[in-house]
Amino acid sequence: QKEVEQDPGPLSVPEGAIVSLNCTYSNSAFQYFMWYRQYSRKGPELLMYTYSSGNKEDGRFTAQVDKSSKYISLFIRDSQPSDSATYLCAMTGGGRGSTLGRLYFGRGTQLTVWP
Amino acid sequence: ETGVTQSPTHLIKTRGQQVTLRCSSQSGHNTVSWYQQALGQGPQFIFQYYREEENGRGNFPPRFSGLQFPNYSSELNVNALELDDSALYLCASSSSGKNYNEQFFGPGTRLTVL
Repeated sequence: QKEVEQDPGPLSVPEGAIVSLNCTYSNSAFQYFMWYRQYSRKGPELLMYTYSSGNKEDGRFTAQVDKSSKYISLFIRDSQPSDSATYLCAMTGGGRGSTLGRLYFGRGTQLTVWP
Repeated sequence: ETGVTQSPTHLIKTRGQQVTLRCSSQSGHNTVSWYQQALGQGPQFIFQYYREEENGRGNFPPRFSGLQFPNYSSELNVNALELDDSALYLCASSSSGKNYNEQFFGPGTRLTVL
Protein backbone atom coordinates (compact mmCIF):
# COMPACT_ATOMS: atom_id res chain seq x y z
CA GLN A 1 0.00 0.00 0.00
CA LYS A 2 1.34 3.39 -0.98
CA GLU A 3 1.63 6.00 1.77
CA VAL A 4 -0.53 8.49 -0.16
CA GLU A 5 -3.29 7.54 -2.58
CA GLN A 6 -4.75 9.96 -5.10
CA ASP A 7 -7.07 9.25 -8.01
CA PRO A 8 -5.20 10.34 -11.15
CA GLY A 9 -8.39 11.20 -13.04
CA PRO A 10 -8.59 12.73 -15.56
CA LEU A 11 -11.31 15.03 -14.28
CA SER A 12 -13.13 17.29 -16.75
CA VAL A 13 -15.61 19.97 -15.62
CA PRO A 14 -17.32 23.01 -17.17
CA GLU A 15 -16.26 26.51 -16.23
CA GLY A 16 -17.91 27.66 -13.01
CA ALA A 17 -18.23 24.17 -11.51
CA ILE A 18 -17.13 23.25 -8.01
CA VAL A 19 -14.22 20.83 -8.12
CA SER A 20 -13.44 18.34 -5.37
CA LEU A 21 -10.02 16.68 -5.21
CA ASN A 22 -9.12 14.10 -2.59
CA CYS A 23 -6.30 12.06 -1.12
CA THR A 24 -6.12 9.34 1.48
CA TYR A 25 -3.06 8.34 3.48
CA SER A 26 -1.96 5.59 5.80
CA ASN A 27 0.71 7.15 8.06
CA SER A 28 -0.83 8.63 11.23
CA ALA A 29 2.40 10.60 11.83
CA PHE A 30 1.56 13.03 9.02
CA GLN A 31 0.69 16.43 10.45
CA TYR A 32 1.34 18.93 7.66
CA PHE A 33 -0.71 18.78 4.49
CA MET A 34 -0.19 20.63 1.23
CA TRP A 35 -1.75 21.00 -2.18
CA TYR A 36 0.39 21.87 -5.16
CA ARG A 37 -0.67 22.84 -8.68
CA GLN A 38 1.55 21.75 -11.54
CA TYR A 39 1.16 22.96 -15.08
CA SER A 40 2.45 20.76 -17.87
CA ARG A 41 6.24 20.40 -17.81
CA LYS A 42 6.61 22.93 -14.97
CA GLY A 43 7.53 22.70 -11.28
CA PRO A 44 4.80 22.33 -8.61
CA GLU A 45 3.40 25.57 -7.18
CA LEU A 46 2.31 25.59 -3.53
CA LEU A 47 -1.42 26.39 -3.27
CA MET A 48 -2.43 25.49 0.27
CA TYR A 49 -0.52 24.57 3.45
CA THR A 50 -2.35 23.33 6.53
CA TYR A 51 -1.44 21.86 9.88
CA SER A 52 -3.44 19.07 11.53
CA SER A 53 -7.21 18.76 11.10
CA GLY A 54 -9.59 21.50 10.03
CA ASN A 55 -10.39 23.81 7.14
CA LYS A 56 -8.42 26.58 5.47
CA GLU A 57 -9.80 28.94 2.86
CA ASP A 58 -7.87 31.11 0.40
CA GLY A 59 -9.94 32.83 -2.25
CA ARG A 60 -11.63 30.20 -4.40
CA PHE A 61 -9.70 27.38 -2.75
CA THR A 62 -10.62 25.49 0.44
CA ALA A 63 -8.48 22.75 1.97
CA GLN A 64 -9.95 20.27 4.44
CA VAL A 65 -8.09 17.78 6.61
CA ASP A 66 -9.75 14.95 8.54
CA LYS A 67 -6.99 13.17 10.42
CA SER A 68 -9.38 10.70 12.03
CA SER A 69 -10.28 9.38 8.56
CA LYS A 70 -6.82 10.04 7.08
CA TYR A 71 -8.50 12.00 4.29
CA ILE A 72 -7.76 15.40 2.80
CA SER A 73 -9.64 17.44 0.22
CA LEU A 74 -9.22 20.51 -1.95
CA PHE A 75 -12.28 22.34 -3.20
CA ILE A 76 -12.13 24.83 -6.05
CA ARG A 77 -15.14 27.14 -6.40
CA ASP A 78 -16.10 28.90 -9.63
CA SER A 79 -13.49 26.92 -11.56
CA GLN A 80 -11.77 28.65 -14.49
CA PRO A 81 -10.02 27.30 -17.59
CA SER A 82 -6.78 28.64 -16.08
CA ASP A 83 -7.25 26.10 -13.24
CA SER A 84 -6.56 23.31 -15.75
CA ALA A 85 -3.48 21.57 -14.36
CA THR A 86 -2.39 18.56 -12.32
CA TYR A 87 -3.11 18.88 -8.60
CA LEU A 88 -0.75 17.08 -6.23
CA CYS A 89 -1.42 16.43 -2.57
CA ALA A 90 1.61 16.20 -0.29
CA MET A 91 2.16 15.60 3.39
CA THR A 92 4.86 15.18 6.00
CA GLY A 93 5.39 14.43 9.65
CA GLY A 94 7.46 17.56 9.98
CA GLY A 95 10.75 18.34 11.69
CA ARG A 96 14.32 17.52 10.79
CA GLY A 97 16.37 14.39 11.27
CA SER A 98 16.11 11.16 9.33
CA THR A 99 13.40 11.69 6.73
CA LEU A 100 10.94 13.57 8.89
CA GLY A 101 11.14 16.65 6.66
CA ARG A 102 10.47 14.85 3.39
CA LEU A 103 7.24 15.33 1.49
CA TYR A 104 5.19 12.31 0.47
CA PHE A 105 3.18 13.00 -2.68
CA GLY A 106 0.15 11.52 -4.32
CA ARG A 107 0.47 10.82 -8.03
CA GLY A 108 -1.63 13.86 -8.92
CA THR A 109 -5.10 14.43 -10.40
CA GLN A 110 -5.26 15.89 -13.89
CA LEU A 111 -8.01 18.55 -14.08
CA THR A 112 -9.42 20.17 -17.21
CA VAL A 113 -11.89 23.07 -16.97
CA TRP A 114 -13.56 23.70 -20.31
CA PRO A 115 -15.17 27.04 -21.26
CA GLU B 1 12.20 37.98 -3.57
CA THR B 2 13.93 35.55 -5.93
CA GLY B 3 12.34 32.13 -6.28
CA VAL B 4 14.02 28.76 -6.66
CA THR B 5 16.02 28.45 -9.87
CA GLN B 6 17.42 25.33 -11.53
CA SER B 7 19.84 24.69 -14.36
CA PRO B 8 19.95 23.40 -16.96
CA THR B 9 16.33 23.27 -18.14
CA HIS B 10 16.82 20.20 -20.31
CA LEU B 11 19.57 17.66 -20.58
CA ILE B 12 20.15 14.63 -22.78
CA LYS B 13 22.70 12.01 -21.73
CA THR B 14 23.53 8.46 -22.69
CA ARG B 15 23.48 5.44 -20.43
CA GLY B 16 26.57 5.18 -18.20
CA GLN B 17 27.35 8.90 -18.25
CA GLN B 18 27.38 11.22 -15.26
CA VAL B 19 25.28 14.37 -14.78
CA THR B 20 25.27 17.37 -12.43
CA LEU B 21 22.13 19.42 -11.83
CA ARG B 22 22.15 22.75 -10.02
CA CYS B 23 19.72 24.59 -7.77
CA SER B 24 19.68 28.03 -6.18
CA SER B 25 17.38 28.27 -3.19
CA GLN B 26 14.85 31.01 -2.56
CA SER B 27 16.21 34.05 -0.74
CA GLY B 28 16.27 33.42 3.02
CA HIS B 29 15.96 29.62 2.70
CA ASN B 30 18.70 27.36 4.05
CA THR B 31 17.25 23.90 3.39
CA VAL B 32 17.19 22.23 -0.03
CA SER B 33 15.41 19.02 -0.99
CA TRP B 34 15.66 17.11 -4.26
CA TYR B 35 12.86 15.08 -5.83
CA GLN B 36 12.56 12.87 -8.90
CA GLN B 37 9.28 12.97 -10.83
CA ALA B 38 8.68 10.29 -13.45
CA LEU B 39 6.08 10.95 -16.11
CA GLY B 40 2.55 10.65 -14.70
CA GLN B 41 3.77 10.19 -11.12
CA GLY B 42 4.14 12.35 -8.05
CA PRO B 43 7.60 13.55 -7.00
CA GLN B 44 9.73 11.06 -5.05
CA PHE B 45 12.09 12.30 -2.33
CA ILE B 46 15.80 11.79 -3.09
CA PHE B 47 17.50 13.65 -0.23
CA GLN B 48 17.60 16.87 1.74
CA TYR B 49 20.45 19.20 2.71
CA TYR B 50 20.58 21.51 5.70
CA ARG B 51 23.67 23.48 6.71
CA GLU B 52 25.73 21.67 4.06
CA GLU B 53 24.95 18.24 5.53
CA GLU B 54 22.68 15.51 4.16
CA ASN B 55 19.64 15.58 6.41
CA GLY B 56 17.70 12.57 5.18
CA ARG B 57 17.58 10.29 2.19
CA GLY B 58 14.86 8.47 0.29
CA ASN B 59 15.07 5.09 -1.40
CA PHE B 60 17.71 6.00 -4.00
CA PRO B 61 21.05 4.24 -4.59
CA PRO B 62 24.43 5.79 -3.66
CA ARG B 63 25.07 6.81 -7.27
CA PHE B 64 22.72 9.70 -6.46
CA SER B 65 24.75 12.18 -4.42
CA GLY B 66 24.57 15.83 -3.57
CA LEU B 67 26.22 18.89 -2.14
CA GLN B 68 25.09 22.07 -0.48
CA PHE B 69 27.28 25.17 -0.56
CA PRO B 70 27.68 27.96 2.03
CA ASN B 71 25.30 30.17 0.04
CA TYR B 72 22.69 27.32 0.35
CA SER B 73 22.75 26.49 -3.34
CA SER B 74 22.92 22.79 -4.11
CA GLU B 75 23.98 20.20 -6.67
CA LEU B 76 22.57 16.79 -7.49
CA ASN B 77 25.01 14.36 -9.09
CA VAL B 78 23.99 11.11 -10.71
CA ASN B 79 26.65 8.60 -11.80
CA ALA B 80 26.33 5.64 -14.15
CA LEU B 81 23.08 6.88 -15.64
CA GLU B 82 20.38 4.33 -16.37
CA LEU B 83 17.40 4.61 -18.72
CA ASP B 84 15.04 4.73 -15.71
CA ASP B 85 16.76 7.90 -14.51
CA SER B 86 14.89 9.80 -17.23
CA ALA B 87 12.61 12.14 -15.28
CA LEU B 88 11.96 15.69 -14.14
CA TYR B 89 14.33 16.54 -11.26
CA LEU B 90 12.92 19.07 -8.87
CA CYS B 91 14.63 21.14 -6.24
CA ALA B 92 12.66 22.63 -3.34
CA SER B 93 13.82 25.08 -0.70
CA SER B 94 12.45 25.92 2.72
CA SER B 95 13.39 28.12 5.65
CA SER B 96 14.43 27.13 9.16
CA GLY B 97 11.59 29.08 10.74
CA LYS B 98 8.17 27.90 11.90
CA ASN B 99 7.08 27.10 8.33
CA TYR B 100 10.00 24.73 7.83
CA ASN B 101 7.81 22.16 6.08
CA GLU B 102 6.54 24.67 3.52
CA GLN B 103 8.65 23.74 0.50
CA PHE B 104 8.83 25.84 -2.65
CA PHE B 105 9.81 24.20 -5.91
CA GLY B 106 11.87 25.31 -8.86
CA PRO B 107 10.90 24.71 -12.49
CA GLY B 108 12.85 21.47 -12.67
CA THR B 109 15.46 19.95 -14.96
CA ARG B 110 14.18 17.44 -17.48
CA LEU B 111 16.74 14.67 -17.92
CA THR B 112 16.53 12.23 -20.80
CA VAL B 113 18.81 9.20 -20.78
CA LEU B 114 19.24 7.42 -24.12
